[in-house]
Amino acid sequence: GDSVTQMEGPVTLSEEAFLTINCTYTATGYPSLFWYVQYPGEGLQLLLKATKADDKGSNKGFEATYRKETTSFHLEKGSVQVSDSAVYFCALSLLSGSARQLTFGSGTQLTVLP
Amino acid sequence: GAVVSQHPSWVICKSGTSVKIECRSLDFQATTMFWYRQFPKQSLMLMATSNEGSKATYEQGVEKDKFLINHASLTLSTLTVTSAHPEDSSFYICSVRWVFSTDTQYFGPGTRLTVL
Repeated sequence: GDSVTQMEGPVTLSEEAFLTINCTYTATGYPSLFWYVQYPGEGLQLLLKATKADDKGSNKGFEATYRKETTSFHLEKGSVQVSDSAVYFCALSLLSGSARQLTFGSGTQLTVLP
Repeated sequence: GAVVSQHPSWVICKSGTSVKIECRSLDFQATTMFWYRQFPKQSLMLMATSNEGSKATYEQGVEKDKFLINHASLTLSTLTVTSAHPEDSSFYICSVRWVFSTDTQYFGPGTRLTVL
């Protein structure tokens, strides 16, 4: 079945460090790919997305490129801030019946220290 | 501001009782809502898809008689955990699918259920 695998956390970085969170997927069709972020005490928020191969999603300094050849969608940020501390979820979306459903990775806890 | 609200944000109940969780779409009408369950340090698992005016579609392994879903209006879906047991303790999250984008879901803040 369809699945998403992302690097286990927790990840702890110093402010202004470079961030990479790896995400790979397995899907039978052509999924859309997403990164969601969950700040403490809040619901998941869409961070960025890409709908086809070679697309790059970007938002708030975060980027991820849809790599079909390696079935990957790694999240990167050049300089993290304390406010980026959160749990990050990689997800894919495939059409199931009449609606698209999301399949999530296990989440990666990021802590950025000042 | 928040697009989706959930109530309550947390609840503690005794084993054998039933608990109702509400999910409201605040900014737009939602024909489709999703209910997820999240265990500590684990991913979100889709439990069911809630369609306004029709029966919910449950994922394999989810007991529909235990997790009752009602989507009575375009802005409200409820999840009732019937005869709750300690193993039902979890974080329950709903999401709303924006009708103009089949890919976009907006998530509620979640409800923490603890069954004693």
